[in-house]
Amino acid sequence: EVQLVESGGGLVQPGGSLRLSCAASGFTFSTYAMSWVRQAPGKGLEWVSGITNGGGDAYYADSVKGRFTISRDNSKNTLYLQMNSLRVEDTAIYYCAKETAAIGIPLFDSWGQGTVVTVSS
Amino acid sequence: EIVLTQSPGTLSLSPGEGGTLSCRASQGVSSTYLAWYQQKPGQAPRLLIYDTSTRATGIPDRFSGSGSGADFTLTISRLEPEDFAVYYCQQYHTPLTFGGGTKVEIK
Repeated sequence: EVQLVESGGGLVQPGGSLRLSCAASGFTFSTYAMSWVRQAPGKGLEWVSGITNGGGDAYYADSVKGRFTISRDNSKNTLYLQMNSLRVEDTAIYYCAKETAAIGIPLFDSWGQGTVVTVSS
Repeated sequence: EIVLTQSPGTLSLSPGEGGTLSCRASQGVSSTYLAWYQQKPGQAPRLLIYDTSTRATGIPDRFSGSGSGADFTLTISRLEPEDFAVYYCQQYHTPLTFGGGTKVEIK
């Protein structure tokens, strides 16, 4: 059974940083691309960032480009999201999501339960 | 970027009834790249339909998808109590985008 467990969320002041982690199990992690998707309180889904199976290519939404960095450690079956220069509008639940292919098809067949990030002074 | 507009915003139905949810794209979408997700309160989204009409593993056949070009539909026949949720469409041609969601509530 696929399991994705996010951690690292919390309360941070505007301008601060957080690093999210997503521990994966139940599938061959290195075979699949992965993404982060967020959901602001009471709002819809917004794709944030994705990374290919080997980690060689990363993609970002315009809203986070230059501030967030996605990475992965296939030896640890873990996905990361380094978030810098956080803004109030980054407040959301952040979901880790498994894609259905190694590259190029951002369709999400498994999701974690999410970790809450609150940016507030 | 392709903008997806879902309608209605809220759909009020009774258990046992059927319902149709719409997803309209700002430009044509390859039918290979349109999906639907279900999200219940306090839960992560779940993949229901991909490639416009293919049900994901374990999804009952009361859920069906159709459409082409810029207009896509999710149909739920014979609503069960567990089907009351928010439904999102997504196109997964880069850059991927989600629709704003349709809430299916109990009438």
